[in-house]
Amino acid sequence: EIVLTQSPGTLSLSPGERATLSCRANQSIKSGYLAWYQHIPGQAPRLLIYGASTRATGIPDRFSGGGSGTDFTLTISRLEPEDFAVYYCQQYGTSPRLTFGGGTKVEIK
Amino acid sequence: EVQLVESGGGLVKPGGSLTLSCGVSGFTFTTYAMNWVRQAPGKGLEWVSYISSSSSFIHYADSVRGRFTISRDNTKNSLLLQMNSLRDEDTGIYYCARDFSSSWRPSMLDYWGRGILVTVSS
Repeated sequence: EIVLTQSPGTLSLSPGERATLSCRANQSIKSGYLAWYQHIPGQAPRLLIYGASTRATGIPDRFSGGGSGTDFTLTISRLEPEDFAVYYCQQYGTSPRLTFGGGTKVEIK
Repeated sequence: EVQLVESGGGLVKPGGSLTLSCGVSGFTFTTYAMNWVRQAPGKGLEWVSYISSSSSFIHYADSVRGRFTISRDNTKNSLLLQMNSLRDEDTGIYYCARDFSSSWRPSMLDYWGRGILVTVSS
């Protein structure tokens, strides 16, 4: 089973700053089948990125994804107030089971 | 507008049963695979189950296999999750989510509901 480890657990930043989130897999993820989600408690999670780097419909271009193999990143170029949330990576490259990372909370400093 | 609304949650005793429903609108339900994902209190997201558009392919997480049953009623635009032999560790918010692709296995999840709380406690 692919295990995803996200770091850091919490990121304390100010609006306007750049956020870089990491997602590391214990084995290579086939064809970059890696997605990122934003989750604000009490709301529905939102798909941000799929295929490691493709923005989902309606996602602002301040969100970008990158990486391949076992190391992936989500970058938010300039944090807006609505971006403070928990972010999860998720793989869908192998077996018929999805796995999520443990999440990174981006909080206001 | 795509909408997914979960219902059927509540308090149940260990060993008990509960059935969750997810009503959808705003898209052609019959052409999309669907998933259930849950979140235990203070924890991250955990995928639970997948069902293809025609119900031909069904998959479960190891933690629920043999106890949970996913199904869908394409005539009612409804996704179901029958949960039996519930345990304390099944407590959490349960989300239904639409699968982005039409395949035999789950992929990325492009629309989610707001979730429904299930509490397993004596």
